[in-house]
Amino acid sequence: KQEVTQIPAALSVPEGENLVLNCSFTDSAIYNLQWFRQDPGKGLTSLLLIQSSQREQTSGRLNASLDKSSGRSTLYIAASQPGDSATYLCAVIGNYQLIWGAGTKLIIKP
Amino acid sequence: DAGVTQSPTHLIKTRGQHVTLRCSPISGHKSVSWYQQVLGQGPQFIFQYYEKEERGRGNFPDRFSARQFPNYSSELNVNALLLGDSALYLCASSLETTPNTEAFFGQGTRLTVV
Repeated sequence: KQEVTQIPAALSVPEGENLVLNCSFTDSAIYNLQWFRQDPGKGLTSLLLIQSSQREQTSGRLNASLDKSSGRSTLYIAASQPGDSATYLCAVIGNYQLIWGAGTKLIIKP
Repeated sequence: DAGVTQSPTHLIKTRGQHVTLRCSPISGHKSVSWYQQVLGQGPQFIFQYYEKEERGRGNFPDRFSARQFPNYSSELNVNALLLGDSALYLCASSLETTPNTEAFFGQGTRLTVV
């Protein structure tokens, strides 16, 4: 059974720092992996989709990497801003469903 | 283009009642999936529908049912509500079935059972 873990559960850093969020999964036989952002009480905003044949994807200040063999993905956020404060979730994409971590709650202090 | 739209945004129901949640996918998307997110946890998969047929079902009781209409919109129905059904219900839209395409989510329906 696929299990997805995100560490740390919460992270607080000063504005301007570069940071890395971690996502690990137990079964390397995945199709794709997707990173999302969730603001309090809101839905999910897709940030990056990494296909299983890819090693990384970039969008603006965000860079996500995927290492299937080690069961790990990282989300790198450059030059963090207070507006980046949110919960970040990763999801491993299986046959017909997304399997989720519990998320990392990120707070960027001005 | 409009994104994924869900209605209602908030709902309060009493134990034992029935509820219907609605979702309209992005135009051109044929797949709709439903997820339940309890506070502080990641979402849990409930159903996936593609071309009006159920393609996948998560580990939820038979009180949960869904359907997809010819225009690809979808309804999630929950009967005999329990306090534990209180959660954010999320609808995801994708062009094709997962795992082939990116999933886009609506803002969710916040269901409170009292």
